Amino acid sequence: EDKVVQSPLSLVVHEGDTVTLNCSYEVTNFRSLLWYKQEKKAPTFLFMLTSSGIEKKSGRLSSILDKKELSSILNITATQTGDSAIYLCAVNNAGNNRKLIWGLGTSLGVNP
Amino acid sequence: DTGVSQDPRHKITKRGQNVTFRCDPISEHNRLYWYRQTLGQGPEFLTYFQNEAQLEKSRLLSDRFSAERPKGSFSTLEIQRTEQGDSAMYLCASGFAGQETQYFGPGTRLLVL
Repeated sequence: EDKVVQSPLSLVVHEGDTVTLNCSYEVTNFRSLLWYKQEKKAPTFLFMLTSSGIEKKSGRLSSILDKKELSSILNITATQTGDSAIYLCAVNNAGNNRKLIWGLGTSLGVNP
Repeated sequence: DTGVSQDPRHKITKRGQNVTFRCDPISEHNRLYWYRQTLGQGPEFLTYFQNEAQLEKSRLLSDRFSAERPKGSFSTLEIQRTEQGDSAMYLCASGFAGQETQYFGPGTRLLVL
């Protein structure tokens, strides 16, 4: 059965810290991995990764995929209180339905 | 605002009542997805459309749930004879066929008393 596992489930850091969130997957016919940020509303898209070793970067956030290890990390540097959210990882298989398989998310709290 | 919109944003209903939610996708998108999310869980896939065709429906979806996208634009999700276990956030997302990225609407939060 296809699954996506995120770790840690939750963590709390201080402003300015750097955090690394993990996502591992077991999916037949992997196609892509997506990261979303969810605050008290619907998820918002962050990154889509399809190739190993190529870092995607947006401001203080960056992510990279390791297809050999079947995993991805999401890094946030110089965290701010506005980074507090649930970070969701989803994986898309190469089937026709393009259905996303979701992890449970990592709840990040950033204290001032 | 040209993003995905959903209506209503909140719905409180009594057990046994029917409810209907609407989703308006980003206009160019031909794919439309419905998800359900409960507290502490990732989104759970319910069904999706390509244009007006419903291509997949989750086995978890009971026959009390039905969705339509009659003209390939907006979609409705109806829940008949609601149960307390239906209380959740119902998310709609849209995207292009052949592209994985899905853009979510704000969700409809349902509470069944």
